[in-house]
Amino acid sequence: EVQLVESGGGLVQPGGSLRLSCAASGFTFSTYWMTWVRQAPGKGLEWVANIKFDGGQKQYVDSVKGRFTIFRDNAKNSLYLEMNSLRAEDTAVYYCARSATNDVNDYWGQGTLVTVSS
Amino acid sequence: QSVLTQPPSVSGAPGQRVTISCTGSSSNIGAGYDVHWYQQLPGTAPKLLIYGNFKRPSGVPDRFSGSQSGSSASLAITGLQAEDEADYYCQSYDNSLSGSLFGGGTKLTVL
Repeated sequence: EVQLVESGGGLVQPGGSLRLSCAASGFTFSTYWMTWVRQAPGKGLEWVANIKFDGGQKQYVDSVKGRFTIFRDNAKNSLYLEMNSLRAEDTAVYYCARSATNDVNDYWGQGTLVTVSS
Repeated sequence: QSVLTQPPSVSGAPGQRVTISCTGSSSNIGAGYDVHWYQQLPGTAPKLLIYGNFKRPSGVPDRFSGSQSGSSASLAITGLQAEDEADYYCQSYDNSLSGSLFGGGTKLTVL
C-alpha cells in the first residue's frame, strides 16, 4: 500500500525557515517524480515544486523560486521541502504527492500545516 | 498569465448529471498536455479521480468521466449522490510556466 506521511509543519515567524519531510513507503520511491502542493486556508490547490526521481531536475512555481528548495534522499525514501524567507502568504497545508507519467499526482499524503505569523 | 479556469460552483439534485469545465490555453491543455481531475472531500487530502483526460483509476465509479477538446476539458458526473459533494480540481502542465497548474476549483453541491 502506497503511503506518504508529511511532517515538519508548525508556526514560524515571517522571515523564518522550516523544513518539511515526506516519508514514502509501499512503492519504489527512487523511480518516481515527487511533488509538493499547497492549499492556503479556504483556498484552492497550488502546485509548488517537483523533483525528478534521481533529483537531477527540479521545477518551482514562480512565487517560491529562490526561497524554497525541493530535494530527496532515495536511500531514506524521503522527500523534503526546505523553506526560507517565509511570508504570511506561504501559510497553507502542504501535501506531498507521488507523480506518475504526464504529471499526474496519483497518491497524496494527509498534509502538514505551515503557519507564518508573528 | 497562465490559468485554468473552472466555475466556482455547480449544483444538482440526486440522480442528475452535472459537468464541470476547465478552460486553459495554448500553453497547457491546448498544447496537448493531459488534464487530470481530483476530488477533495471536506477536511481530506485530494484524491485522483480522472487522469490522462479520460482514464479512471481503479476504484473510481464509472459515473465519473472526463473529456478534452482543444484548450478545454470537462468532468461529468452522472447519477449524482450525496457523497459526491466535494471540491473538484483540474490540473495540467504548462510549458510557459515550466511547471504544473491547478484550476481554481469547483464546489459541487448536491441539492
